[in-house]
Amino acid sequence: AQSVSQHNHHVILSEAASLELGCNYSYGGTVNLFWYVQYPGQHLQLLLKYFSGDPLVKGIKGFEAEFIKSKFSFNLRKPSVQWSDTAEYFCAVSTDNQGGKLIFGQGTELSVKP
Amino acid sequence: NAGVTQTPKFQVLKTGQSMTLQCAQDMNHEYMSWYRQDPGMGLRLIHYSVGAGITDQGEVPNGYNVSRSTTEDFPLRLLSAAPSQTSVYFCASSRSPGRGNTEAFFGQGTRLTVV
Repeated sequence: AQSVSQHNHHVILSEAASLELGCNYSYGGTVNLFWYVQYPGQHLQLLLKYFSGDPLVKGIKGFEAEFIKSKFSFNLRKPSVQWSDTAEYFCAVSTDNQGGKLIFGQGTELSVKP
Repeated sequence: NAGVTQTPKFQVLKTGQSMTLQCAQDMNHEYMSWYRQDPGMGLRLIHYSVGAGITDQGEVPNGYNVSRSTTEDFPLRLLSAAPSQTSVYFCASSRSPGRGNTEAFFGQGTRLTVV
């Protein structure tokens, strides 16, 4: 069965620090990859997605992610975080033969100190 | 532009009670699903549907029923609530499965407490 692993459960950064959140998945076939963000008390919103093409994907609010197929990874990055980036971040995977079902990682809680 | 609408937003149930969480989408999406979110466990798939009249189980289906009589609606029923079902529930919808079509849109969530 497919699974998604996020390495960091809670990350604390100061404003302007750089961010990298790890995500690895286990599936040998073609995958669609997503990062979702959940601000406190809100629902999930899509940050960025990868289906095919350029493995470096740019999303909203200055976030980007790089798909490295050989490492089964899809790490999220941002050069300089802001206090407003405080949220929980979820990596998710779907496969073409799974009817669009999303498999989520455990989530990473990011706290940015002003 | 409503998107995915869930009701209620909050609910407290007593053990053994039953209830239905409502989910409706106005994007004509074929695919709909229910997840529960628990601390440290991410979101886990409960049930999903790839179209009206078609449903299937996800990762954690026990204690829940679903039906899909229309494209728009996908209610989740708790048959006999248990404290282990205390969670935040999210409904999501997306277009037909296929390459590039699986971006999911989420509702605002239902926070359920079973006492």
